[in-house]
Amino acid sequence: QKEVEQDPGPLSVPEGAIVSLNCTYSNSAFQYFMWYRQYSRKGPELLMYTYSSGNKEDGRFTAQVDKSSKYISLFIRDSQPSDSATYLCAIVKAAGNKLTFGGGTRVLVKP
Amino acid sequence: KAGVTQTPRYLIKTRGQQVTLSCSPISGHRSVSWYQQTPGQGLQFLFEYFSETQRNKGNFPGRFSGRQFSNSRSEMNVSTLELGDSALYLCASSSEGQGVGYGYTFGSGTRLTVV
Repeated sequence: QKEVEQDPGPLSVPEGAIVSLNCTYSNSAFQYFMWYRQYSRKGPELLMYTYSSGNKEDGRFTAQVDKSSKYISLFIRDSQPSDSATYLCAIVKAAGNKLTFGGGTRVLVKP
Repeated sequence: KAGVTQTPRYLIKTRGQQVTLSCSPISGHRSVSWYQQTPGQGLQFLFEYFSETQRNKGNFPGRFSGRQFSNSRSEMNVSTLELGDSALYLCASSSEGQGVGYGYTFGSGTRLTVV
């Protein structure tokens, strides 16, 4: 079993819809949670970072962490075609700098 | 502010050869990490360097090695290339002072194809 599980998609939504993405993890030692966006032929770009349970909002993006369930989510409101990309969750343990990534979810926002 | 620069962008090598990839981190960042990305395995951690010392290492064979120079630039080397080494190799730099999770800025990667 992988340490971080993420549905590969693809997830297809109409423009303006809410995109809902999630990851589950198995190790309770994970303390820091990130979401990255990756366009084709580009490196991952950090979207959101959080280290506590609860919600964190940044513009159209909301990250949600539930440490008791080992479940993290990313919501994208008012989705745009430019949001079409692969979204990766990444988790870090309290000590050390190794990022453990989910497999990524491919999102397609149709005009 | 310049981002993370990886060179070359694309590389084609033959099985059995060796290859060296380069990464220039964001100015002031002392930590450099390397990841391998493939369709089947996703993003996997190779190693991380801080102030010229390897601090963490992933589960890759000894054919994969790296180093970091005094100016924080880093190189990774893969010897005796295998077909399965074909992947996108990504470098990320971070600033220790910003804490875990901040400043993990990735470069655009080097796409290595082994034929």
